[in-house]
Amino acid sequence: DSGVTQTPKHLITATGQRVTLRCSPRSGDLSVYWYQQSLDQGLQFLIQYYNGEERAKGNILERFSAQQFPDLHSELNLSSLELGDSALYFCASSVEAGDTDTQYFGPGTRLTVL
Amino acid sequence: AQSVAQPEDQVNVAEGNPLTVKCTYSVSGNPYLFWYVQYPNRGLQFLLKYITGDNLVKGSYGFEAEFNKSQTSFHLKKPSALVSDSALYFCAVPRRGYGQNFVFGPGTRLSVLP
Repeated sequence: DSGVTQTPKHLITATGQRVTLRCSPRSGDLSVYWYQQSLDQGLQFLIQYYNGEERAKGNILERFSAQQFPDLHSELNLSSLELGDSALYFCASSVEAGDTDTQYFGPGTRLTVL
Repeated sequence: AQSVAQPEDQVNVAEGNPLTVKCTYSVSGNPYLFWYVQYPNRGLQFLLKYITGDNLVKGSYGFEAEFNKSQTSFHLKKPSALVSDSALYFCAVPRRGYGQNFVFGPGTRLSVLP
């Protein structure tokens, strides 16, 4: 167990809908990252927050947004969902945001868009 | 740009035999390299990382990795494979100057046959 928790484990929804994925980092970790894993794209970085502030953006669609709250948990919001958004979404956390910091991953949320 | 390659999609090895999962990298500056493992329906688990120092890095579950600067490689190894080592293995490198988020290789599926 990495200490990173994600809810829900599974989400099934319809095209056009909006969902929210939640992540609680390990105790003491200030950085939170979101990744998307799909068969065709592999593991792709979406967005990073550090102590409540957005630190970096990757391949995140405009329909997606995220935030990190004062208690350091994070939420990833996905709207106007399309079939292609079906994927496994991982949250990871690290103590700081340095290049040598280990990221610890949560178990993921599997999103299925029908 | 930072990148890693995993030249083998699939590696098959018999239980008890040594295993190697290959990774080559292309980075600017000092290379920081990570290995993660993903078991079915699970999140990524950290195995080990190379930051500096000894070229042989020891990690979790009996795994080790050898950093080779001249060959720009960071191969994952284990002296004696277990069936329970069957999983998807990812090599990763931090994306520099853009927060500390990872660029992942495509993954190598390891199958250890009894």
